[in-house]
Amino acid sequence: AQSVAQPEDQVNVAEGNPLTVKCTYSVSGNPYLFWYVQYPNRGLQFLLKYITGDNLVKGSYGFEAEFNKSQTSFHLKKPSALVSDSALYFCAVSFGGYNKLIFGAGTRLAVHP
Amino acid sequence: EAEVAQSPRYKITEKSQAVAFWCDPISGHATLYWYRQILGQGPELLVQFQDESVVDDSQLPKDRFSAERLKGVDSTLKIQPAELGDSAMYLCASSLDVYQETQYFGPGTRLLVL
Repeated sequence: AQSVAQPEDQVNVAEGNPLTVKCTYSVSGNPYLFWYVQYPNRGLQFLLKYITGDNLVKGSYGFEAEFNKSQTSFHLKKPSALVSDSALYFCAVSFGGYNKLIFGAGTRLAVHP
Repeated sequence: EAEVAQSPRYKITEKSQAVAFWCDPISGHATLYWYRQILGQGPELLVQFQDESVVDDSQLPKDRFSAERLKGVDSTLKIQPAELGDSAMYLCASSLDVYQETQYFGPGTRLLVL
């Protein structure tokens, strides 16, 4: 079955430090991978996606993600965290012909001053 | 910047009542999605439209939920009768087309069933 796992419920990081939010997936065939961010009582905002090509994908607000096929991972990274990055982050995978997204359970990122 | 519009933003209703949510996708987007997000979980697809046609409603509880996109533009999701377990955030998203296109989400409707 297709699935996405975000192994950490919460990630805590100090402002200015690098951050990583982890995501692994299980999909037959070639996956299309996405990261979204959600602020309280808001919808999801698109950050970045991997379809094909370079394994390192750059997105909005200084975020980037690295696709690792052998480890079936797509971890989200940022070199220097901001307090305003504090939010709920979702990894998602799309497969098949109808662009159906399967989401992970989400990881809450807390950036402390 | 074009956005997906949803209304209402918040809805409180009593169980057994009917409730409806509206979504207006980004102009020109052929594909529209309704998701349900239960607190503490990721969104789950309820129904997907390509223009006015349903292409996936496998997770839609059809005994009480219905969705339509009559002219292939805006869409309505209805629940009748509402149950306590329907309390959740209902998110609408749209994409240019169905093939690996980015989905853009609206602000959501938070439903509370009492």
